[in-house]
Amino acid sequence: GAVVSQHPSRVICKSGTSVKIECRSLDFQATTMFWYRQFPKKSLMLMATSNEGSKATYEQGVEKDKFLINHASLTLSTLTVTSAHPEDSSFYICSARSTGSFHGYTFGSGTRLTVV
Amino acid sequence: QKEVEQDPGPLSVPEGAIVSLNCTYSNSAFQYFMWYRQYSRKGPELLMYTYSSGNKEDGRFTAQVDKSSKYISLFIRDSQPSDSATYLCAMTSTGGSYIPTFGRGTSLIVHP
Repeated sequence: GAVVSQHPSRVICKSGTSVKIECRSLDFQATTMFWYRQFPKKSLMLMATSNEGSKATYEQGVEKDKFLINHASLTLSTLTVTSAHPEDSSFYICSARSTGSFHGYTFGSGTRLTVV
Repeated sequence: QKEVEQDPGPLSVPEGAIVSLNCTYSNSAFQYFMWYRQYSRKGPELLMYTYSSGNKEDGRFTAQVDKSSKYISLFIRDSQPSDSATYLCAMTSTGGSYIPTFGRGTSLIVHP
């Protein structure tokens, strides 16, 4: 089945530094990738939607200059958290929808970011 | 009113019980309906998806969609402790970017 590989699974960084999270679709081409943030015991909060070769569409309230999303190919999307602060600590998850017929969304395993 | 309503639980059942998980929604444009299982600190895993109304069965799992009532269900037969997880419903309309709308998830605990 479809697999999305997300790295790193866990990262601790110092306040003020930037962190890059990668998501790769391993066995399918992802037309669209979604980036979510999830707080403990809460549902998924959509941050942005990205289509290959286009600028990402950010949800209201999400700072596009802080959360940089790049979807340079049909198999790779990256989320860079710039100038991270402790309040950015969270669980970030990507998901992808393949080209062609709809077969649901495949999620990565998530990245737990801790900013100290 | 949220687009998708889902009781967060927790729902606690004994091993072997039949579990019923439900979501209601308000957007009549939704056509694809999905159920995801999420273990703690992991990404959601797609269990099943259906298109429009009807039932779909996969092993111990059965998904039902009633578009007239805007109500979807996931049934788990012979529940196991390994089924303990959060179950999220999701739905989307056709066309555009297929942006999914998720319920907040129901926490299920199956105790031995």
